[in-house]
Amino acid sequence: RKEVEQDPGPFNVPEGATVAFNCTYSNSASQSFFWYRQDCRKEPKLLMSVYSSGNEDGRFTAQLNRASQYISLLIRDSKLSDSATYLCVVNPPDSWGKLQFGAGTQVVVTP
Amino acid sequence: DVKVTQSSRYLVKRTGEKVFLECVQDMDHENMFWYRQDPGLGLRLIYFSYDVKMKEKGDIPEGYSVSREKKERFSLILESASTNQTSMYLCASSIPDRNTQYFGPGTRLTVL
Repeated sequence: RKEVEQDPGPFNVPEGATVAFNCTYSNSASQSFFWYRQDCRKEPKLLMSVYSSGNEDGRFTAQLNRASQYISLLIRDSKLSDSATYLCVVNPPDSWGKLQFGAGTQVVVTP
Repeated sequence: DVKVTQSSRYLVKRTGEKVFLECVQDMDHENMFWYRQDPGLGLRLIYFSYDVKMKEKGDIPEGYSVSREKKERFSLILESASTNQTSMYLCASSIPDRNTQYFGPGTRLTVL
């Protein structure tokens, strides 16, 4: 079983619509969680951290469900520029800064 | 702004060649990482370094070695390249206890 699992998609989303997707993680003792964004043929970049209480950054909302061991990302009012692969990232305990990356969920926003 | 640079964006090598991939960061980060990224598999950690001359194997170290002689530079070495090492190679750096990793632009390596 992979340590971080994501639906690879693609999620095809009309411009202006809302899209949401989850990721599950296997280590219940994991302490911190992130979403990274990776554009086609580019490097991953931090999109946002995920806090226990949930957090919002503009049109992006991240949620953490520790009981079920999943995190989610919701994008409202999708823009064409939101088309990318979204990587779910988990920091397990005692990892010395080594992160666990999911394989990514591809989002394609269409006009 | 943190900057992580990699020596080549695209590289084509032949089977059996020795390959050097260089990574340099300009933010005095202690931690540096080498990953490979393949479709459907995501990022897989090859090697990790938490200080000069210190290294630790990641999940897939076989066929690779690393060198960190200076804090800002972390090199990945393929001793004898094979076709199954064709991949995108990404370098990253971070500060200990901080979870943000900063990535270089990647090197797309093709081994013929």
